[in-house]
Amino acid sequence: SQTIHQWPATLVQPVGSPLSLECTVEGTSNPNLYWYRQAAGRGLQLLFYSVGIGQISSEVPQNLSASRPQDRQFILSSKKLLLSDSGFYLCAWSGTPNNYGYTFGSGTRLTVV
Amino acid sequence: AQSVTQLGSHVSVSEGALVLLRCNYSSSVPPYLFWYVQYPNQGLQLLLKYTSAATLVKGINGFEAEFKKSETSFHLTKPSAHMSDAAEYFCAYASGGSYIPTFGRGTSLIVHP
Repeated sequence: SQTIHQWPATLVQPVGSPLSLECTVEGTSNPNLYWYRQAAGRGLQLLFYSVGIGQISSEVPQNLSASRPQDRQFILSSKKLLLSDSGFYLCAWSGTPNNYGYTFGSGTRLTVV
Repeated sequence: AQSVTQLGSHVSVSEGALVLLRCNYSSSVPPYLFWYVQYPNQGLQLLLKYTSAATLVKGINGFEAEFKKSETSFHLTKPSAHMSDAAEYFCAYASGGSYIPTFGRGTSLIVHP
């Protein structure tokens, strides 16, 4: 069966420090991969999605970036965190076609101090 | 452009009462529709999905939803609320030709004893 792993679960980082969040998927190949952010009391904001290795599409311009170095690995990064980067980050994957739903990781709570 | 509207950011019910969470979509192509549940500090979990088969879809935890094309709706119901149903619920839309799911802003379900 397919599983998705996301880590770390919580992270407290100072302003200006770098960020690396990792997401891996097991049990499937060539998944579509997504990074979402939830700010407190708000809905889901799509940050990046990827349909293949090295293919990244950005939905929101900001100081975050994403990479997909392997088929089932998706990384969210920042060179210098801002206070506004605080939030709950969720990784998700879907198969193709997209009618089978999306499976989410357990999330990372990022607090920038 | 497609969109998903969830009526009511908060819905409050008594334990044992009917749960009704509303979702309307706007799209010119046949939809795939989903409901997700999110408990605090966790990822989203798929409750149920509509993929052009039966219009009444049964999901986990006693929830069900009915696709009504004429009303462009996919409302989520449960006959009797439990305290454990208190969570955030998200309606989502996808089409076969798009990699990007569209999520509603979420509805927080509050269950009173």
